[in-house]
Amino acid sequence: DAGITQSPRYKITETGRQVTLMCHQTWSHSYMFWYRQDLGHGLRLIYYSAAADITDKGEVPDGYVVSRSKTENFPLTLESATRSQTSVYFCASRADRGAYNEQFFGPGTRLTVL
Amino acid sequence: QQQVKQSPQSLIVQKGGISIINCAYENTAFDYFPWYQQFPGKGPALLIAIRPDVSEKKEGRFTISFNKSAKQFSLHIMDSQPGDSATYFCAASIRGNEKLTFGTGTRLTIIP
Repeated sequence: DAGITQSPRYKITETGRQVTLMCHQTWSHSYMFWYRQDLGHGLRLIYYSAAADITDKGEVPDGYVVSRSKTENFPLTLESATRSQTSVYFCASRADRGAYNEQFFGPGTRLTVL
Repeated sequence: QQQVKQSPQSLIVQKGGISIINCAYENTAFDYFPWYQQFPGKGPALLIAIRPDVSEKKEGRFTISFNKSAKQFSLHIMDSQPGDSATYFCAASIRGNEKLTFGTGTRLTIIP
């Protein structure tokens, strides 16, 4: 049972390049989330999705694009990477609405933009 | 706009001591307050959570204390162990809203 996986785990790219971070979950959870983690800022929500083909902006969506054609996948694309997007990116998922909003996080992708 | 303020940023506690991390929130509509634990190189994982209808929740050595009138909640780790060394995040959400608002994190180090 793989749970939630992210790829690549590490990525170095250059300013202006397009980068796609992958997220895959095996639980068939409806909700998926993308966060970035930066020192002093904690975890900030970039985008989230309630189901396939339903996405919405979070706190810091500028410069990012998401899609969700299948329930299990939620890729995050940086269309033209900037140095300010150097960060650790976490994908998370949670089950359908229930009593508790527990989110399950992937292992993260460390992205460096030169 | 920081809706959940967490302190301290870092904390060093001796083995066997009590670790205390505090969070304060502004939005009175928040009704779910989890704490996440993150080890280096790993994603955060839910540690313990509380709803505002109770003032305290305990799970093993971990306790959440909740003060609704002060809009504050805290994590207490009793008998702290080196294995508790991690980054801790408080968070909050509103019923029916799937988004979690996280604090900025506390890096806890337990020394022998």
